[in-house]
Amino acid sequence: DSGVTQTPKHLITATGQRVTLRCSPRSGDLSVYWYQQSLDQGLQFLIQYYNGEERAKGNILERFSAQQFPDLHSELNLSSLELGDSALYFCASSEQGRGADTQYFGPGTRLTVL
Amino acid sequence: AQKVTQAQTEISVVEKEDVTLDCVYETRDTTYYLFWYKQPPSGELVFLIRRNSFDEQNEISGRYSWNFQKSTSSFNFTITASQVVDSAVYFCALSEAGSARQLTFGSGTQLTVLP
Repeated sequence: DSGVTQTPKHLITATGQRVTLRCSPRSGDLSVYWYQQSLDQGLQFLIQYYNGEERAKGNILERFSAQQFPDLHSELNLSSLELGDSALYFCASSEQGRGADTQYFGPGTRLTVL
Repeated sequence: AQKVTQAQTEISVVEKEDVTLDCVYETRDTTYYLFWYKQPPSGELVFLIRRNSFDEQNEISGRYSWNFQKSTSSFNFTITASQVVDSAVYFCALSEAGSARQLTFGSGTQLTVLP
């Protein structure tokens, strides 16, 4: 158990809908990362937050947004969903959000868009 | 830009054989960090090891060992006396001390250990 929690574990929805994925980092970690794992794109970085502030952005679509709250949990919002958004979404956390930090991953949320 | 290449898509071995998973990386940073993660069939990503670019000492942890060679930009992972429970997808990843603090992953190697 990495100490990072993600809910829900599975999510099935329809095209055009909006969903919210939730992540709680390990105790003491200030930085949260979101990654997407799909068959065709592999594991791709989406976005990073540190202590409530956005720190880095990767290949995140404009239809996707995220935030980190004062209690350090984070939410990833996916809207106008398309079939291609079906993937495993991981949240990871690290102490300070530096390159030197080890990122610990949550169990993931498997999103299926029908 | 940073890049990680895992040329072996799938490897199949028989239990008790040794197996080496290859990882080659590209980065312009002089300070960077290399990682290996394991993804078992249950789907979670499990951290195995982190190495700093300024520390080329190889590491052994039980049946696992890692060979870091800066000269060839490689960070290979060897499992000695493989077991069925080692069956998983293994990912090599890179982060940098500069702006690219996020992990850049290789495409992964599916290891199947047959009984």
